[in-house]
Amino acid sequence: AQSVTQPDIHITVSEGASLELRCNYSYGATPYLFWYVQSPGQGLQLLLKYFSGDTLVQGIKGFEAEFKRSQSSFNLRKPSVHWSDAAEYFCAGGRGGGGNKLTFGTGTQLKVEL
Amino acid sequence: EPEVTQTPSHQVTQMGQEVILRCVPISNHLYFYWYRQILGQKVEFLVSFYNNEISEKSEIFDDQFSVERPDGSNFTLKIRSTKLEDSAMYFCASRTESGNTIYFGEGSWLTVV
Repeated sequence: AQSVTQPDIHITVSEGASLELRCNYSYGATPYLFWYVQSPGQGLQLLLKYFSGDTLVQGIKGFEAEFKRSQSSFNLRKPSVHWSDAAEYFCAGGRGGGGNKLTFGTGTQLKVEL
Repeated sequence: EPEVTQTPSHQVTQMGQEVILRCVPISNHLYFYWYRQILGQKVEFLVSFYNNEISEKSEIFDDQFSVERPDGSNFTLKIRSTKLEDSAMYFCASRTESGNTIYFGEGSWLTVV
């Protein structure tokens, strides 16, 4: 069965520190992978996506993610976190084509200490 | 930038009542979705809709749920007889026919009392 796993439920970092949020996937073939961010009471905003090609993808707000097939991972990174980055981050995978439903991870709650 | 819009943003309803959540997908999009997120849990797929019919649905999407595209712009989710466990944030989403990026709305928070 397809699944997306986010091992970290909560992460706390200091403002200005680097960030890495982990995401692992389990699919029969390479899925399409996404990172979404959800601020309190808000909807899901797309940060970045990976379909194929260059394994390092750039997104909005200074985020990037690297697809590593050997590790079945798609970790999200940011070199310097800002207090406004505090939110919940969801990794999601889909197979593309047809209905292309997304399977979400359980989310990682990011807290930023000033 | 075009976006998916949802109404209402928040609705409180009594158990057993019918609820309709409304969505206006992005105008050139042809695939439409509903997802839900129970408080503190992951976002779950409910249903996808294409060419005026359901293309896929999850086991959550039972006979109490229905979707409809009543006109050229709206996409609705109806819950016929709400239960307490239907309390959740419901997200509408859409994508183009050939694209793989799914864009989400702000969500409709449903509270069943």
